[in-house]
Amino acid sequence: AQKITQTQPGMFVQEKEAVTLDCTYDTSDPSYGLFWYKQPSSGEMIFLIYQGSYDQQNATEGRYSLNFQKARKSANLVISASQLGDSAMYFCAMREGLETGNQFYFGTGTSLTVIP
Amino acid sequence: DTGVSQDPRHKITKRGQNVTFRCDPISEHNRLYWYRQTLGQGPEFLTYFQNEAQLEKSRLLSDRFSAERPKGSFSTLEIQRTEQGDSAMYLCASSPPAGISYEQYFGPGTRLTVT
Repeated sequence: AQKITQTQPGMFVQEKEAVTLDCTYDTSDPSYGLFWYKQPSSGEMIFLIYQGSYDQQNATEGRYSLNFQKARKSANLVISASQLGDSAMYFCAMREGLETGNQFYFGTGTSLTVIP
Repeated sequence: DTGVSQDPRHKITKRGQNVTFRCDPISEHNRLYWYRQTLGQGPEFLTYFQNEAQLEKSRLLSDRFSAERPKGSFSTLEIQRTEQGDSAMYLCASSPPAGISYEQYFGPGTRLTVT
């Protein structure tokens, strides 16, 4: 089974609107971390936001928030007030066993295009 | 503060040749990772170092691939007898010690083209 599933190969959003990028994960480890990365056309992976499995509140970082639904094993990224510079690939990732686990598992990504 | 750096940024080689890539992590990071990313896919884990010890290696990693991290600082990834299927972006990432933070910081990658 896939550890991380991103079901939206491509998404479009109007500038200044909000958009949600979906991510579901699969693990039996009670301790894990969920991450979102942005990869512009330049290729560099940019860390956006982190959510730990024991965190009670959803993570937020500026215009990024993570909608963490533990029972459903989903960790959707919400980008508010989209900007043209948000156009990029977005990857969801998971690290199992936060203190001891060493592998990150990445999804296949969602390509976001912001329309002016 | 310098981020993770990788060298070279691009490499074109002929099938059968050996190539070596270098990664310099953020100085206080003791954890170092190598990934491979092909077009339209997410990064795929290759191997992990904690300080100078190679603690994990993907089962998908061919024995033509070898990685080192002497003295726990920079790391090298060597591919011997390259094949066209090795063409990909090779990404290096580093993390601080456990308990400080959990995210990885990526370098710009080395794009390998095998002709």
